[in-house]
Amino acid sequence: DGGITQSPKYLFRKEGQNVTLSCEQNLNHDAMYWYRQDPGQGLRLIYYSQIVNDFQKGDIAEGYSVSREKKESFPLTVTSAQKNPTAFYLCASSIPWGTGVPEAFFGQGTRLTVV
Amino acid sequence: DQQVKQNSPSLSVQEGRISILNCDYTNSMFDYFLWYKKYPAEGPTFLISISSIKDKNEDGRFTVFLNKSAKHLSLHIVPSQPGDSAVYFCAASGGATNKLIFGTGTLLAVQP
Repeated sequence: DGGITQSPKYLFRKEGQNVTLSCEQNLNHDAMYWYRQDPGQGLRLIYYSQIVNDFQKGDIAEGYSVSREKKESFPLTVTSAQKNPTAFYLCASSIPWGTGVPEAFFGQGTRLTVV
Repeated sequence: DQQVKQNSPSLSVQEGRISILNCDYTNSMFDYFLWYKKYPAEGPTFLISISSIKDKNEDGRFTVFLNKSAKHLSLHIVPSQPGDSAVYFCAASGGATNKLIFGTGTLLAVQP
């Protein structure tokens, strides 16, 4: 079955540590995205990538970094510079722009808690 | 500046009645609008979309209406079922990218 796999589902991090969230897709999608959800807020875009080896900052990129070395993978690193990292993180992928309805397919999310 | 707004944090309806969820936007360059349904601790799932060149799109019990002059869209669910209880997000896309900008969501509770 095609889909997006995020791991781990739950992650605990000590303050001052970097942590990397995994996102893998087998939908053959060119575009991939990272969103963050906080209680009472919508999904806010952290980073997105429209093609391998290229990515752009979203609305809340500070304290995060990404890489896109393979089409299937778009890992997100939450660095110690992120002031409030406790949140629910969602990865998504979609077809390239201009090829149809921009439906994004989402993974099941990773709950990150700073302890 | 929030480009996509859902001003009703919650909505409660009786089973069998109509649910109407609303969404407003500010950017006239958006060319697609989408609705997603989300359960707690899960990823959102796509429900229905509408292109900016249309004013209505229907899929089973779900219909989305777009009023471009008012920069407003709505999702109608008829008849509402208890399984429809979830958070509904409105999202928009525009420019040379498929990235989606989301509203803050509306929690729909369908009472049996």
